[in-house]
Amino acid sequence: DSGVTQTPKHLITATGQRVTLRCSPRSGDLSVYWYQQSLDQGLQFLIQYYNGEERAKGNILERFSAQQFPDLHSELNLSSLELGDSALYFCASSVEAGAADTQYFGPGTRLTVL
Amino acid sequence: AQSVTQLGSHVSVSEGALVLLRCNYSSSVPPYLFWYVQYPNQGLQLLLKYTSAATLVKGINGFEAEFKKSETSFHLTKPSAHMSDAAEYFCAVSETGTYKYIFGTGTRLKVLA
Repeated sequence: DSGVTQTPKHLITATGQRVTLRCSPRSGDLSVYWYQQSLDQGLQFLIQYYNGEERAKGNILERFSAQQFPDLHSELNLSSLELGDSALYFCASSVEAGAADTQYFGPGTRLTVL
Repeated sequence: AQSVTQLGSHVSVSEGALVLLRCNYSSSVPPYLFWYVQYPNQGLQLLLKYTSAATLVKGINGFEAEFKKSETSFHLTKPSAHMSDAAEYFCAVSETGTYKYIFGTGTRLKVLA
């Protein structure tokens, strides 16, 4: 158990809908990262927050957004969902935001878009 | 730009045999390198990481990796495979000044009885 929690574990929804994925980092960790894992794209970095502020952006679609709240939990919002958005979404956290910091991964949320 | 190449999307070894999973990186500055393992239906777990201290890094579960700058490699090894090592393994790189990992495409390890 990494100490990172993600809810829900599974999410099934329809095209065009909007969903919110939630992540609670390990106690004391200030940085949260979101990744998407799919069969065709592999593990892709989406976005990072550090202490409430966006720090880095990766291959995140405009239909997706995220935020980190004062209690350091984070939410990833996915809207106008398409079939291709079906994937495993991971949240990771680290103490700081340095390149050498170990990222601890949550168990993931499996999103299925029908 | 940094990148990672993992040679062999699938590797099979017999129980008790040497495990060798290959990772080559590209980085314009000294990199930080990581190996993660993913068991079915689970998140990623850190096996080991290189942060420019010793070039031979020992990790959990008997795994180790050697950083070779001249070969731009960070291969993962384990002397004797266990059935419980069957999983997917990911190599990742990050660089000073960036805040993200770049992951390789993963290698699925199968251990044969």
